Amino acid sequence: GAVVSQHPSWVICKSGTSVKIECRSLDFQATTMFWYRQFPKQSLMLMATSNEGSKATYEQGVEKDKFLINHASLTLSTLTVTSAHPEDSSFYICSARPGLALTDTQYFGPGTRLTVL
Amino acid sequence: AQSVTQPDIHITVSEGASLELRCNYSYGATPYLFWYVQSPGQGLQLLLKYFSGDTLVQGIKGFEAEFKRSQSSFNLRKPSVHWSDAAEYFCAVGPSNTGKLIFGQGTTLQVKP
Repeated sequence: GAVVSQHPSWVICKSGTSVKIECRSLDFQATTMFWYRQFPKQSLMLMATSNEGSKATYEQGVEKDKFLINHASLTLSTLTVTSAHPEDSSFYICSARPGLALTDTQYFGPGTRLTVL
Repeated sequence: AQSVTQPDIHITVSEGASLELRCNYSYGATPYLFWYVQSPGQGLQLLLKYFSGDTLVQGIKGFEAEFKRSQSSFNLRKPSVHWSDAAEYFCAVGPSNTGKLIFGQGTTLQVKP
C-alpha cells in the first residue's frame, strides 16, 4: 500500500528557533499534500494544502509566515515552523494524495511531535 | 458551516461484542464521507469511504458504515470487536469540490478482555 513518512518523528527545540518537518511519499507521486495540526485529544485541523510546484493554500487563521510550506517535488513536502514558541507545540501530520481526482484517497504520515521549550 | 460531530468521546466494549461509533455531519451539498483509524505511532489509516451509490459501505478489518442522508449520519459498525481494534477513530467529511477533509473530534475505543 501507499506509504507516507515523516521526519523527524519528534523534535524538541528552544523558543525562537525554526524547525523543519519533512513529509515524503515513498512509493507514489503526490500531486497534492496536506498539513494538519492535532492538539491532544482533539481532532485534526487542516493547516494548508500544497500542490507540487505551486504556493500552498493556507486555511483561515493559519499564519503563512509562521508555517512555511514547500512542495518542491512530487514526493516531498516540508513544513517549517519559524521562530517557534511554546504555543506551537503540537502534533503535525501530513497526508498525500496520489492523483488529481478529488476522490483519490489521502494517505497519512505517522506525525511529528513538536515540543517548544 | 461544515462540521463533523462524533458524540462519543470514549467508548468501552468487551471483546467479541458489537460496536457502533456515531458520526453526524453538517454540510450543504453531497459530501464525501470517511472513517479513519489512528493507532499510536502510526498514521491514520482509511477504513472506508462513501462517495455515492450503495449507502452501506464495506471497509477493511470487518468494518462497515451506513450513510443515512435523512439523519446526516455515517455510523461505523463492526459485529465483533477484537482487542486490536482499540484505537482512535475519526469520521471525516470531504467537500466534493476541493478534496479537503474536515475531521470530527474522534472517538477513543477501549476493548475489555
